[in-house]
Amino acid sequence: DQQVKQNSPSLSVQEGRISILNCDYTNSMFDYFLWYKKYPAEGPTFLISISSIKDKNEDGRFTVFLNKSAKHLSLHIVPSQPGDSAVYFCAASTAYSGAGSYQLTFGKGTKLSVIP
Amino acid sequence: GAGVSQTPSNKVTEKGKYVELRCDPISGHTALYWYRQSLGQGPEFLIYFQGTGAADDSGLPNDRFFAVRPEGSVSTLKIQRTERGDSAVYLCASSLLAGFYNEQFFGPGTRLTVL
Repeated sequence: DQQVKQNSPSLSVQEGRISILNCDYTNSMFDYFLWYKKYPAEGPTFLISISSIKDKNEDGRFTVFLNKSAKHLSLHIVPSQPGDSAVYFCAASTAYSGAGSYQLTFGKGTKLSVIP
Repeated sequence: GAGVSQTPSNKVTEKGKYVELRCDPISGHTALYWYRQSLGQGPEFLIYFQGTGAADDSGLPNDRFFAVRPEGSVSTLKIQRTERGDSAVYLCASSLLAGFYNEQFFGPGTRLTVL
């Protein structure tokens, strides 16, 4: 039972264009959402996050949008660069997880390829 | 400015053997997490330590898996009687504290292969 879903396993985008990565979740207790980026043979690296009290958070070329009623979030990368090519994981957390662990629940990831 | 380190980077073992995977968190980080990433999946939570104690072990799949953090720093994940289904990348993460605004920093992982 996947609580965080990334339905697109891969995405190809031309350099300079917008990349949009999507994520859906089912657990209404999730309060905090994160995007991680992962290169091969490395651990995931934090990219950007959003609290459930907001609907948008921006950091440079990266913007995350949250639609709570639809239980949907998306990551926009503008403009896309070849160095953005990586696997992107959507993750969620809740203050109600066991013993205050704030453990992360991840999606399966979307592999983004930015074509020069 | 060392990040989270994990050793070994790769471990190949035979079915039924015992393995230990080590995690060195960022100095001063009190919260430590273990996750497991199987092929084609995202990381899945295994266990969380706050200091020396395992505060949440709800993600451990069965009693063959055990983890310790005796001095509140280095942690070891121990797997007994390994099975082929245990093959995965085991990721360790640490954060200054547990909480929404405390970023979890991940190590590069240990790739475990059980033959």
